[in-house]
Amino acid sequence: GENVEQHPSTLSVQEGDSAVIKCTYSDSASNYFPWYKQELGKRPQLIIDIRSNVGEKKDQRIAVTLNKTAKHFSLHITETQPEDSAVYFCAASPGMIKAAGNKLTFGGGTRVLVKP
Amino acid sequence: EAGVVQSPRYKIIEKKQPVAFWCNPISGHNTLYWYRQNLGQGPELLIRYENEEAVDDSQLPKDRFSAERLKGVDSTLKIQPAELGDSAVYLCASSSMGSTDTQYFGPGTRLTVL
Repeated sequence: GENVEQHPSTLSVQEGDSAVIKCTYSDSASNYFPWYKQELGKRPQLIIDIRSNVGEKKDQRIAVTLNKTAKHFSLHITETQPEDSAVYFCAASPGMIKAAGNKLTFGGGTRVLVKP
Repeated sequence: EAGVVQSPRYKIIEKKQPVAFWCNPISGHNTLYWYRQNLGQGPELLIRYENEEAVDDSQLPKDRFSAERLKGVDSTLKIQPAELGDSAVYLCASSSMGSTDTQYFGPGTRLTVL
C-alpha cells in the first residue's frame, strides 16, 4: 500500500519568513495530493491540493509543487503570519478510481509555529 | 452548505464498555469515511462507504469495531468492547463521487478509554 513520509515534524519560523514542508510517497498510482491544516482541537481543513497532471499550483501565500518522477511534493507558505501556526498534513490518493477508491494516506504531520 | 456533523464531540468510558459515534455527511455526498487519528499522527482510514456499501474496510479491526450506513446517509461506528489503545480522535469525512476528490472532515469525536 501507499506510504507517505513528511518532513520536518516541527518547524519554527519568524513571522514574515517562508515555510517549506516536504512529503514523499511510494505508490506511483497516486495522482491526487491534498494538504490539510489542523488547528488544535479542530477538524482538518483542506488548504490546497494538486493533481498529477499539474506540476505547481498557487493560491495567494500558499503553493504546492509536485515531482512525479521523484515521487515528492512540497508545500510552500510565504510571508508567514501567526495564524498560520497549526499542524499541516500532506496526503496521497489514487483519486477517483473505483477499484482503489479515494483512499487518502496521510503523512505524520508538521507542527508549524510562527513566532511574532 | 452545512459541514460534516459528528456526535458526541467527547466521550470518556471505562475499558470493556461499548461506545458508538455518529456521523452525518454533507448533503448529497455519497462517499463516507471513518478515520482514526492518534495523538500527534495523521488520520488513518478505518472504513469507506459508497452509499450504503462498505467498499474498503481492510483497516477496520473487525473483532471489536463495526460500522453501518443503512440508508446511505448517516453512519454509526461502534467499538465493543473498548480497550485502552482505542483512545483517539475518530474523524468522519465525506466526498462526492463524480465531482472532485475533496474530502471534507467533521470535527471528530475524542474518545478517552480509562
